Amino acid sequence: QVQLQESGPGVVRPSETLSLSCTVSGVSISDNAYYWSWLRQSAGKGLEWIGRIYPSGSTSYNPSLKSRLTLSIDRSKNQFSLSLTSVTAADTAVYYCARDVAVAGFDFWGQGSLVTVSS
Amino acid sequence: DIQMTQSPSTLSASVGDRVTVTCRTSESIGRRLAWYQQKPGSAPNLLIFQASNLETGVPSRFSGSGFGTEFTLTVSSLQADDFATYFCQQYNSEPYTFGQGTRLEIK
Repeated sequence: QVQLQESGPGVVRPSETLSLSCTVSGVSISDNAYYWSWLRQSAGKGLEWIGRIYPSGSTSYNPSLKSRLTLSIDRSKNQFSLSLTSVTAADTAVYYCARDVAVAGFDFWGQGSLVTVSS
Repeated sequence: DIQMTQSPSTLSASVGDRVTVTCRTSESIGRRLAWYQQKPGSAPNLLIFQASNLETGVPSRFSGSGFGTEFTLTVSSLQADDFATYFCQQYNSEPYTFGQGTRLEIK
């Protein structure tokens, strides 16, 4: 069974960097049939696609976040990660990692990780 | 970005009712649309992809239709477990975007 699990701090100070990891089980992150995405959900902005990383390590980012965003992949740990710099209160959200099937949406999601930006 | 407009925002219905949620997109996306169900405290769950394809394990009372800019999600006979929030999502062009959600509540 495919499972994804987010991990990272629940509170980040304004102007600092938000870092999350997603550990994948039940499928190899190197399988070229799938991509790996990050999404977030907040009361103010609803569901928002953050970006995607391909098994090759190439990336695709939401232009609204591109200047602050880095996605990376660690095949040895079957894990992919997100780094978002210079956070503000507007980045407070539940962050999800998900398996991205290019022609079929997001078919497996992590349980979500609440990140609050606060001093 | 492609704008997604769902209607209604809230829908009140009873067990056994047939309900329909509509999703409109600001430009044509062919059939590259997915529907998700989300319950409080949980991640969204994929119900339908390619506008009308039922995801494995999803009950057949759920169905989707549409093409281009107008899409619908129908639940043929509501069950107690179906009261939740539903989202549409386009994956025709990046950035992928979601509708604002339709909350299905018990009448």
